[in-house]
Amino acid sequence: NAGVMQNPRHLVRRRGQEARLRCSPMKGHSHVYWYRQLPEEGLKFMVYLQKENIIDESGMPKERFSAEFPKEGPSILRIQQVVRGDSAAYFCASSSGGPGTEAFFGQGTRLTVV
Amino acid sequence: SQQGEEDPQALSIQEGENATMNCSYKTSINNLQWYRQNSGRGLVHLILIRSNEREKHSGRLRVTLDTSKKSSSLLITASRAADTASYFCATGFTGNQFYFGTGTSLTVIP
Repeated sequence: NAGVMQNPRHLVRRRGQEARLRCSPMKGHSHVYWYRQLPEEGLKFMVYLQKENIIDESGMPKERFSAEFPKEGPSILRIQQVVRGDSAAYFCASSSGGPGTEAFFGQGTRLTVV
Repeated sequence: SQQGEEDPQALSIQEGENATMNCSYKTSINNLQWYRQNSGRGLVHLILIRSNEREKHSGRLRVTLDTSKKSSSLLITASRAADTASYFCATGFTGNQFYFGTGTSLTVIP
């Protein structure tokens, strides 16, 4: 059973470009969470999605950031018009859902904005 | 804030010693998870403890939860150099999203 798969592992974008980060949850998992980790800091919650629904996006910046988890395919975190401050590691986790279920993380995507 | 706070921020011990790190939180939780992160790598799930549990074991790991004090501890026994990593607690709520503290950086000296 493959774990949570994120791609790409590393992404370099110039300021103003768009970044698309993908996350394929573990088989059987329908709940996806995105987190951002700035250098030398902990992980900050961004958004929680179930298939085709955004459940909680309270941690996501109001502008330039969006997330989706379509019926088919991976979850996508999209950052438009990237700025240097977006440089961070973005982690995705998935769970089978329900209170008290473990969440397993992918290896992360390291975004560098130059 | 809903996130947990780990203590200490950094811990350095000799191989073979036990390492204890703590996590405190402010609001009632549904569950609490501990993760390990090696430098520059992803997070590895260690253990989940539910709010109605007081203690759980997994190999050399022991996690306790005291909901009255809103705190949890992670004990690593007989530490190894490979245990060197950052350790995070994540507090889980009924909405199923969870929040991380800033982590404890553990260094095990061979």
